[in-house]
Amino acid sequence: DTEVTQTPKHLVMGMTNKKSLKCEQHMGHRAMYWYKQKAKKPPELMFVYSYEKLSINESVPSRFSPECPNSSLLNLHLHALQPEDSALYLCASSHQGPSYNEQFFGPGTRLTVL
Amino acid sequence: AQSVSQHNHHVILSEAASLELGCNYSYGGTVNLFWYVQYPGQHLQLLLKYFSGDPLVKGIKGFEAEFIKSKFSFNLRKPSVQWSDTAEYFCAVNARRNNAGNMLTFGGGTRLMVKP
Repeated sequence: DTEVTQTPKHLVMGMTNKKSLKCEQHMGHRAMYWYKQKAKKPPELMFVYSYEKLSINESVPSRFSPECPNSSLLNLHLHALQPEDSALYLCASSHQGPSYNEQFFGPGTRLTVL
Repeated sequence: AQSVSQHNHHVILSEAASLELGCNYSYGGTVNLFWYVQYPGQHLQLLLKYFSGDPLVKGIKGFEAEFIKSKFSFNLRKPSVQWSDTAEYFCAVNARRNNAGNMLTFGGGTRLMVKP
């Protein structure tokens, strides 16, 4: 299985809602990532988890809360979002270790905040 | 901090034309380099990657890229494009940061349109 899956595919939420994005991989990767991609822009790194621990937070607002419950799952909890948070949210995973590794991307969740 | 520049934002070619997309990066240490493609409405797919060894790397769908260390460049090439190559192309650099994890920094992307 060389796939990263993400659910839901599309999500529409109001500014007062609480929702979660889910990401799953079964490639044995111990590094997982969240990226945000606005239309016609490149993906921007949000968070990196290494061995289920948060290792990088790229100064993301606290209304985004990541969680890595186990080595295969990565969640992104959303609360009190703003319309400008509407974007494609991409999850990725890779092997972790002393050498560099390719990241595998999921299809993304397209989020619309009303 | 590392950065990646893609100088061509939009490229329009006719089918069978040759393609070269520029990518320059700024980072003083060891890097790994990637080209990803994003077809309309689809997710990012890896075209090719450079980790070490032969600086000329071949990827999927007839694409290749050359790593020129002295120029900090990793340009993407294809001798003859097809209409199905219409997509957004992203160059990316992967450099470890304080052993905290792998960080991918993307260039701004090049939107390629191939006219049939």
